[in-house]
Amino acid sequence: EPEVTQTPSHQVTQMGQEVILRCVPISNHLYFYWYRQILGQKVEFLVSFYNNEISEKSEIFDDQFSVERPDGSNFTLKIRSTKLEDSAMYFCASSLSLNYGYTFGSGTRLTVV
Amino acid sequence: SQQGEEDPQALSIQEGENATMNCSYKTSINNLQWYRQNSGRGLVHLILIRSNEREKHSGRLRVTLDTSKKSSSLLITASRAADTASYFCASQGGSEKLVFGKGTKLTVNP
Repeated sequence: EPEVTQTPSHQVTQMGQEVILRCVPISNHLYFYWYRQILGQKVEFLVSFYNNEISEKSEIFDDQFSVERPDGSNFTLKIRSTKLEDSAMYFCASSLSLNYGYTFGSGTRLTVV
Repeated sequence: SQQGEEDPQALSIQEGENATMNCSYKTSINNLQWYRQNSGRGLVHLILIRSNEREKHSGRLRVTLDTSKKSSSLLITASRAADTASYFCASQGGSEKLVFGKGTKLTVNP
């Protein structure tokens, strides 16, 4: 069964450093997403990406965040200057179309120290 | 209550029993989806029910949707220890984003 692959599985970074979280969505999917889950809390929407551009973003997704799909297969989330409160599990997901379920990756656990 | 709010927050049952989880949402939707998350892992899509559907089945799962009450329920029949996980509902409205609830933590005791 096709999978969404995320790397790394764990990332520890110093506050203020830049991190790049990587994802390989399912190849024929058209919609791509990033969500995050702070330990024990809700899964929160960050951004959706369609047709090579951001289609929607949440208030969490401020100027410190950016996404790219540099080569038609990878989908990356960059956090420019990490803060302690960015510590969370970050999930990438993709879907074939609207009104279809998402396929989520296993997540990257980001710890900012 | 918040969008996509599940209850109960936690549910503990014996193997073989049925588990029912409820979800409420606030705004109009195109569909409502249920996901499972094993501890520390990714979310797995279980079932999607469209706004014009009232009930849907998939194996041991049964989902209902009542758009007049803005609520949905997930029933897992004949539960197994392997069903132990957190279950989330997620509503999809006019855009592609999903709005998740806080989840129900289900424990199935062998």
